Amino acid sequence: SQQGEEDPQALSIQEGENATMNCSYKTSINNLQWYRQNSGRGLVHLILIRSNEREKHSGRLRVTLDTSKKSSSLLITASRAADTASYFCATVSRNSGNTPLVFGKGTRLSVIA
Amino acid sequence: GAVVSQHPSRVICKSGTSVKIECRSLDFQATTMFWYRQFPKQSLMLMATSNEGSKATYEQGVEKDKFLINHASLTLSTLTVTSAHPEDSSFYICSARKLAGGVGELFFGEGSRLTVL
Repeated sequence: SQQGEEDPQALSIQEGENATMNCSYKTSINNLQWYRQNSGRGLVHLILIRSNEREKHSGRLRVTLDTSKKSSSLLITASRAADTASYFCATVSRNSGNTPLVFGKGTRLSVIA
Repeated sequence: GAVVSQHPSRVICKSGTSVKIECRSLDFQATTMFWYRQFPKQSLMLMATSNEGSKATYEQGVEKDKFLINHASLTLSTLTVTSAHPEDSSFYICSARKLAGGVGELFFGEGSRLTVL
């Protein structure tokens, strides 16, 4: 079953602008991860933020996590045409063991050169 | 990073035939692999959890007799779509986690696009 929603479902911006995508989830989590998927390809892991973390940076990526609101955001700064892809948040529950990732619906980002 | 290889990347088959998709962890051992299905412009839906040396755990609504999963070694899991029908056409993606029992990053294969005519 899917964990939550990404917002917006689709986003179109000009190259150089910042892109912000939001994700909400429903259950308590161990961590939240963001993945990128180019059309028809597999998923690439971008960043993982643990439930006790509030913000994390990786290059042009900034992720925030608000466990009280059960939400996360992914910010891509100074976007490039190559950033065009679908972005998914995925959560891992607090349960131990080999828990799978539960994915949100994704945001389709288009960066126009 | 860890590498997960999936084969074939594309397959077209006739209705009623069976198709096998392989998922290999190339540079690490994976006691658990996960199989997802993705329809066009939709998210990934977990189908089943594949455990090495034991039976797979299927998600609700996924027919275990139709989607046969075998995880015979620590580096290979296979998904066989039996008696495929056009509605089974989809993008199938496997993933594996490096550490047994961990909750960290999953590594994904490149996916297998199945088209059933």
